[in-house]
Amino acid sequence: GEEVAQTPKHLVRGEGQKAKLYCAPIKGHSYVFWYQQVLKNEFKFLISFQNENVFDETGMPKERFSAKCLPNSPCSLEIQATKLEDSAVYFCASSHSPPGGNTIYFGEGSWLTVV
Amino acid sequence: GENVEQHPSTLSVQEGDSAVIKCTYSDSASNYFPWYKQELGKGPQLIIDIRSNVGEKKDQRIAVTLNKTAKHFSLHITETQPEDSAVYFCAATQGNTPLVFGKGTRLSVIA
Repeated sequence: GEEVAQTPKHLVRGEGQKAKLYCAPIKGHSYVFWYQQVLKNEFKFLISFQNENVFDETGMPKERFSAKCLPNSPCSLEIQATKLEDSAVYFCASSHSPPGGNTIYFGEGSWLTVV
Repeated sequence: GENVEQHPSTLSVQEGDSAVIKCTYSDSASNYFPWYKQELGKGPQLIIDIRSNVGEKKDQRIAVTLNKTAKHFSLHITETQPEDSAVYFCAATQGNTPLVFGKGTRLSVIA
């Protein structure tokens, strides 16, 4: 597609429940990035992929968070045992190349509320 | 790692006036500096970017300047319009490292 497609747009989970978010990158883009934006607008990098391989996971919390990009499937970000502080907007982005090479295009985000 | 500071955090201008947002970065190896506009409930949209081999870039009412020596770059919007109201983010990367964002500037253009 011509845009980064993220689903669901909104997700509400009780503390301790699992949350799974999906992202379809722009067709032909081989790099996918996940960012978390908390209420004060700050963007926190989580993880990036080059095709199905992890490219950079330096921002990924060691516990509870996992992500995958499998061939012929949307990429996914999963949070096990959600906590209140996981409430945020999760943005997926894609690009032809690593950061700095080409424009990085963002999706509209998935708003996760943990209650 | 890279650290990007952005000022001001909020900015109000009268319609037709200019708006300037400034960012500084810490990593002298950073070489790509995009600016994103984020409207309420939407994802960030790239509005302009600049690479370290260029000092200035313009696109209609929007311009970006880069001072590599001082490690700062600025966004200039001229003849502001109400639809320019949004949160603007600067970012920096050295190429293979993730984009690091500033904390955003909420721009309000008053008609």
